[in-house]
Amino acid sequence: GAGVSQSPSNKVTEKGKDVELRCDPISGHTALYWYRQSLGQGLEFLIYFQGNSAPDKSGLPSDRFSAERTGGSVSTLTIQRTQQEDSAVYLCASSFWGAAVDEQYFGPGTRLTVT
Amino acid sequence: AQRVTQPEKLLSVFKGAPVELKCNYSYSGSPELFWYVQYSRQRLQLLLRHISRESIKGFTADLNKGETSFHLKKPFAQEEDSAMYYCALRAGNTPLVFGKGTRLSVIA
Repeated sequence: GAGVSQSPSNKVTEKGKDVELRCDPISGHTALYWYRQSLGQGLEFLIYFQGNSAPDKSGLPSDRFSAERTGGSVSTLTIQRTQQEDSAVYLCASSFWGAAVDEQYFGPGTRLTVT
Repeated sequence: AQRVTQPEKLLSVFKGAPVELKCNYSYSGSPELFWYVQYSRQRLQLLLRHISRESIKGFTADLNKGETSFHLKKPFAQEEDSAMYYCALRAGNTPLVFGKGTRLSVIA
C-alpha cells in the first residue's frame, strides 16, 4: 500500500516568507509526528498528534512554527516569517497506535531552503 | 529528560570487517530502543527494535541496562551496509528521541 507522502519534495523560499508543508500519513494510522533533520544535528522532534488528543507541541522551536491535523489524517506544518536557520529536511512519520513499540513509518521529507 | 548519544559521526570499515555502532542512552525507566537506517536517496526506515531480539540484515543489538547501551553490531560488513544509522529511544507513549546519527562507510 501507499506509504507516508509529503509535499512539496523541495521548497526554496525567501527569508521572511511563510511556508506550508504537507503530510499524508498511512491510512488508518492514528499517530502522526513531525521531525526536523539538520546536518550534524540528527533528527529533532517537533510535534506529535495522537488521535483526538491535544497535540504534543513540546518540540516546536519557536512560535513561528505551528501544525494542524485535519480530520485525523492530513497534517500541515506551517513556518511563519522563515529564517535561514529553518533550512532543513522536514520529516513526517505515522504509526498505527502511537504505542511505544510501534514502528514509525517515515515520509521522504521536504527539503526547505531559506535564502 | 531522555537522551540518546551516538559518539561517532563517521565510522569507516573495510568490507568483511566487524562493525559496531555505539549508542548510549539516559533514561531512568525501561525504554524501548530502536535502530533506524537511511540508505542513500531512500527514506528513513526501521532496522530493528530491542523488544524483537531479532537479527536483520546480519545486524544485532543487545540492550545493556547496566551500561545503558544499545550498540549495533555486525560480524562482517558489506558495501550495501553503507548508510546513516540512528539510534532512538521511546519512553512510554512519547515521540522517539533520536541520536545525531552515525554515517557508516564500508570500503571495498
